[in-house]
Amino acid sequence: DAGVIQSPRHEVTEMGQEVTLRCKPISGHDYLFWYRQTMMRGLELLIYFNNNVPIDDSGMPEDRFSAKMPNASFSTLKIQPSEPRDSAVYFCASSWYRPLNQPQHFGDGTRLSIL
Amino acid sequence: SQQGEEDPQALSIQEGENATMNCSYKTSINNLQWYRQNSGRGLVHLILIRSNEREKHSGRLRVTLDTSKKSSSLLITASRAADTASYFCATDGDKIIFGKGTRLHILP
Repeated sequence: DAGVIQSPRHEVTEMGQEVTLRCKPISGHDYLFWYRQTMMRGLELLIYFNNNVPIDDSGMPEDRFSAKMPNASFSTLKIQPSEPRDSAVYFCASSWYRPLNQPQHFGDGTRLSIL
Repeated sequence: SQQGEEDPQALSIQEGENATMNCSYKTSINNLQWYRQNSGRGLVHLILIRSNEREKHSGRLRVTLDTSKKSSSLLITASRAADTASYFCATDGDKIIFGKGTRLHILP
């Protein structure tokens, strides 16, 4: 079975550019999560969706960040404009039931570097 | 300390020894999960324990939960080189919160 698929695996771009991260969850999973991991702050939940609807976006750091889930098999996390402090590893995860009631399955992440 | 905070931050033991990691949290929870992360990879779910459970086992893993102390422990018995990784707890109090993890290094 295919796991959660994220693309790209690595992204290096200059400050001010738009960045789009992509995620394909496991088929049949109703919940999709976006996380950010840094050494300083650890793993932070940014936003999660249930059946393509955003449920909790309180972790989104600011208006420069936006996330969409146009259908059950695809989600994007966009940063516009990007800043050096956005450099981190961004993970997407999915689960078939509500948060932490069932395991979350993580992709291998996108390592983002903003110069 | 933050919700879902692990200790120690780092742990080095000899292969074959047992490894114990602890997680503390602040608010009431419904579920607590433990995850493993190998370098450069995503997190992998290890075990889920619900608030009405006190202990769970999965292979060489043993997890305990003490809701009165708001703490959990993960025990890995008979450690192997492949257990070298970072280990995180996650809780579902007001929000989903992951700790900063324990880096476990198994020495040959």
